[in-house]
Amino acid sequence: GAGVSQSPSNKVTEKGKDVELRCDPISGHTALYWYRQRLGQGLEFLIYFQGNSAPDKSGLPSDRFSAERTGESVSTLTIQRTQQEDSAVYLCASSLDSQYFGPGTRLLVL
Amino acid sequence: QKEVEQDPGPLSVPEGAIVSLNCTYSNSAFQYFMWYRQYSRKGPELLMYTYSSGNKEDGRFTAQVDKSSKYISLFIRDSQPSDSATYLCAIKSERGSTLGRLYFGRGTQLTVWP
Repeated sequence: GAGVSQSPSNKVTEKGKDVELRCDPISGHTALYWYRQRLGQGLEFLIYFQGNSAPDKSGLPSDRFSAERTGESVSTLTIQRTQQEDSAVYLCASSLDSQYFGPGTRLLVL
Repeated sequence: QKEVEQDPGPLSVPEGAIVSLNCTYSNSAFQYFMWYRQYSRKGPELLMYTYSSGNKEDGRFTAQVDKSSKYISLFIRDSQPSDSATYLCAIKSERGSTLGRLYFGRGTQLTVWP
């Protein structure tokens, strides 16, 4: 079946602009995660949604970052007033048990 | 101290070699241990998953966990050029649940040359 999909695959933006990244999880997966991967680094946890529970936002690096999820479907990660240090690959994963990752969105902030 | 430490390499071996990849972790509460493989410009894909000390084998891959030393390893036998990728260890802690955030190592970049 279809895996986790993310869009856009690449995004170039100017410093100070807002960006919105989208994740379509595997159908039926109740949990959804966002991670950030800087060049040469491991994955850094950002936020976790599980069913109707309050999301675990403990990994969001600043209040410029926010995410939403509608039920057990699509999620969007929004970064407001982007900074150059926000440049990274943003990865989404969904899970019933093990986490399955999408291909990521490569964000470059100029 | 980071929760998970992993030598980033790079590691370069000839085809057919045995590869050993390792991570250490700091929190004895960690319960579940995973290895992911990430090809260039792709998302990580799950290779191995275990929750107990000892060895777990899957084809050419063996995952080893030593909870007493807080040390996990991935061995690749008869390595192939197609194994060239970055290997990430990942660990989670929630007892009784396989859900919850993962703590990742930095990843080890492996190249297997023909």
